[in-house]
Amino acid sequence: AQSVTQLGSHVSVSEGALVLLRCNYSSSVPPYLFWYVQYPNQGLQLLLKYTSAATLVKGINGFEAEFKKSETSFHLTKPSAHMSDAAEYFCAVRGNTGGFKTIFGAGTRLFVKA
Amino acid sequence: DTGVSQDPRHKITKRGQNVTFRCDPISEHNRLYWYRQTLGQGPEFLTYFQNEAQLEKSRLLSDRFSAERPKGSFSTLEIQRTEQGDSAMYLCASSPTGQVDNEQFFGPGTRLTVL
Repeated sequence: AQSVTQLGSHVSVSEGALVLLRCNYSSSVPPYLFWYVQYPNQGLQLLLKYTSAATLVKGINGFEAEFKKSETSFHLTKPSAHMSDAAEYFCAVRGNTGGFKTIFGAGTRLFVKA
Repeated sequence: DTGVSQDPRHKITKRGQNVTFRCDPISEHNRLYWYRQTLGQGPEFLTYFQNEAQLEKSRLLSDRFSAERPKGSFSTLEIQRTEQGDSAMYLCASSPTGQVDNEQFFGPGTRLTVL
C-alpha cells in the first residue's frame, strides 16, 4: 500500500523567504512522486514529478523537490516566496501498476505575508 | 485544446435527490479518473476508465455511486439518494495511456452541497 504524509497543514512565510513544504511517503515499490498546486476554485496543476531519473527535480514557478530514499521524503522548496505562491499544495504518490491511480496527501496551505 | 471541463461547477441538492455530473476529458486521452475532495483533505481516488471500460473502483464508491464513460469520450458520475456526507468537490482528470508518470490533467471540479 502507498501513502503520503504532509507535515503541517498550514505554512506561513514572508515574501522573499524560503519556502519548505514537507512530504514523506510510504511505498512498497519504487514510487513515482508528484507535487500539485491548487488555487482557490481551480483544479490541481502539476508542479513537478519524480520518476527515478534524477533525485533533484525542478518544476514550474521556481519550485524544486529532492527525492531522498533513505528518508522516504520528497520535500518541496522555493528559494524566494512570492505573493502569487499562496495556494494549497499536495504531495502525491503513484504506483506502477493498474490504472496508475494517485494517492494524495492532505495538503499544506501556504500563506505568504507581505 | 481547452483542457478538462466539468459541468456543473456547483450543485446544491436536497438529501435523497439524485445528481449527475459530467466530465469532458482532453481529447485523445484514453484514461479518465474521478476523485473526491472534502474540505481540508487531498483528493481521494474513486474510479478510473480506460476508454469505455471501468477498470478500478475504490471502496469509497458505494452502491449509490455509478460512473459511465460511453464511447470512451465524456464521463458521467451519478449519485443516487444523496446524503449530507456526499458533500464534496468531485474532480475529474484525464491522461494519455502509456507511461505511469504521464501527467493527469485535472478539471476545475464540481462542488456538491447536500442540504
